[in-house]
Amino acid sequence: ETGVTQTPRHLVMGMTNKKSLKCEQHLGHNAMYWYKQSAKKPLELMFVYNFKEQTENNSVPSRFSPECPNSSHLFLHLHTLQPEDSALYLCASSQGLAGVYEQYFGPGTRLTVT
Amino acid sequence: AQTVTQSQPEMSVQEAETVTLSCTYDTSESDYYLFWYKQPPSRQMILVIRQEAYKQQNATENRFSVNFQKAAKSFSLKISDSQLGDAAMYFCAYVSNSGYALNFGKGTSLLVTP
Repeated sequence: ETGVTQTPRHLVMGMTNKKSLKCEQHLGHNAMYWYKQSAKKPLELMFVYNFKEQTENNSVPSRFSPECPNSSHLFLHLHTLQPEDSALYLCASSQGLAGVYEQYFGPGTRLTVT
Repeated sequence: AQTVTQSQPEMSVQEAETVTLSCTYDTSESDYYLFWYKQPPSRQMILVIRQEAYKQQNATENRFSVNFQKAAKSFSLKISDSQLGDAAMYFCAYVSNSGYALNFGKGTSLLVTP
């Protein structure tokens, strides 16, 4: 595997379920990101981790819980979601923070909350 | 706060022709980076081209070039000799030199017709 991978690619869950999204990067990067992509809206940054430490939580509801056990893996734990949380969730990584470093994106997980 | 505006929700171009996608941004920073990302139907977001604000010379990458007008806060993407594989959503993005959070526009859907 190369680049940034995400599993699952599609997920349908009920509002009372608990599920997790997984992201893995094979680029040796130190920073990882979660973005939310909703229809007709710009991508929204959710969380940023640098060297496994969370550096940003962009006012995300607590029903989204990130976890970064090491610089290569990033999880997004989901519980008691709302229908408006249905979206494409994109993971990205970069060598470091700061605009000079290109962010590489995964293919995304299409989440549907019923 | 920085905002990125893409005023063209959809654009269409014939194969082998040239098309220009518009982007404007708002910032009080003087040092920043601008990007164009492409998201094909397969959903993997990839970087097309990058521009450093301190460079006056417009960036080019093969058939892709930008027209960066710093005073006007404008950053348009020109695609020459359009190909069917260029069909995708194109996102303009901004990040300050001291930041790492990409600010995206809403995107422009590009259709390439034979």
